[in-house]
Amino acid sequence: AQSVTQLDSHVSVSEGTPVLLRCNYSSSYSPSLFWYVQHPNKGLQLLLKYTSAATLVKGINGFEAEFKKSETSFHLTKPSAHMSDAAEYFCVVSDNAGNMLTFGGGTRLMVKP
Amino acid sequence: DGGITQSPKYLFRKEGQNVTLSCEQNLNHDAMYWYRQDPGQGLRLIYYSQIVNDFQKGDIAEGYSVSREKKESFPLTVTSAQKNPTAFYLCASSSNQLSNSPLHFGNGTRLTVT
Repeated sequence: AQSVTQLDSHVSVSEGTPVLLRCNYSSSYSPSLFWYVQHPNKGLQLLLKYTSAATLVKGINGFEAEFKKSETSFHLTKPSAHMSDAAEYFCVVSDNAGNMLTFGGGTRLMVKP
Repeated sequence: DGGITQSPKYLFRKEGQNVTLSCEQNLNHDAMYWYRQDPGQGLRLIYYSQIVNDFQKGDIAEGYSVSREKKESFPLTVTSAQKNPTAFYLCASSSNQLSNSPLHFGNGTRLTVT
């Protein structure tokens, strides 16, 4: 069985300051991990994915995430927040067969001017 | 442009009525999915289909039904047996195994049942 825990349901930052959204996973095999972003009343858009290549993954809009197997973590970061980053972010793990995704509960990012 | 179209965007129904949510894709993807989203619970899988004329139950299939008669279409019916149908419903598709191919999502249908 696999699971994903997003450690913060809400994160608030000021524009121009760093963003850290935390994600821990559990899996009995080498997982594939994803971060998706959802703006209000919209579908989800892929930010980045890890599939056992480089442990530091760069995504769109300046986001990146680092896979740390020893800590079972896949935290999402961005050096400088922009107002347009305000959205909900989901950490997702895929099973080994690639047939099933497990979503975290989401983290709502708020960016203050 | 290729993508996934869900309709309608908002849907209101009386309790006890069945309702069908539409999902169409022109991405030529084999696999399609239905998720339900509730506040603070992430997305939960209702049904998925990896090929035409075949579909599988997800984690919360009770009270829902689907069909996959065409590659492009994967409609979801919310039946009167679904105890708490009010939610945001998202349709998605992917080209192959999820570990390699990301999901493409529609913009969702918000269903309110009173």
